[in-house]
Amino acid sequence: DVKVTQSSRYLVKRTGEKVFLECVQDMDHENMFWYRQDPGLGLRLIYFSYDVKMKEKGDIPEGYSVSREKKERFSLILESASTNQTSMYLCASWASNTEAFFGQGTRLTVV
Amino acid sequence: RKEVEQDPGPFNVPEGATVAFNCTYSNSASQSFFWYRQDCRKEPKLLMSVYSSGNEDGRFTAQLNRASQYISLLIRDSKLSDSATYLCVVNLMDSSYKLIFGSGTRLLVRP
Repeated sequence: DVKVTQSSRYLVKRTGEKVFLECVQDMDHENMFWYRQDPGLGLRLIYFSYDVKMKEKGDIPEGYSVSREKKERFSLILESASTNQTSMYLCASWASNTEAFFGQGTRLTVV
Repeated sequence: RKEVEQDPGPFNVPEGATVAFNCTYSNSASQSFFWYRQDCRKEPKLLMSVYSSGNEDGRFTAQLNRASQYISLLIRDSKLSDSATYLCVVNLMDSSYKLIFGSGTRLLVRP
């Protein structure tokens, strides 16, 4: 059974904290993505990676960074969490000509 | 203008009804097209890919019109279990492999 696993289902952090969201896939996919999903705004692409150590900005990269040191792992980092980063974060992995698989999501609340 | 646009709905239909969703995309470099389904508080999952010639999967029919940059999803004989949000997804393959999501169309099927 294919798997994309996100490290936490629910997370509560304080304003100013550094936050790490981890995503691991076991399908040997080249491409991995981080989205956030907010009511009425749909899924918005934060960053994506098409190879180890390669990353590209999506539509809303401000306030975020990413790391891909190994093919199976793609981390999203909030350098200094703010309340407007309270959201559902979804990781996805994808290979060309296949479907994208999502993790179960991390609901982050910044207080 | 958003890269992928959908009518947010909600579409509220009785069981057995036929319902159609539309999606337009702005980038002619778009190569692949998909419909995803997302249930409340769950991650998106692939419903079906959309092929140039149109394709059908049971009660679901997807169509693509490249000239008009338009994708559609038709659901026949709606079931209560079809209630969900339907996301139109476009794969851009200009310089990299971005997956761009529409904000989704919500469907409510009532008894």
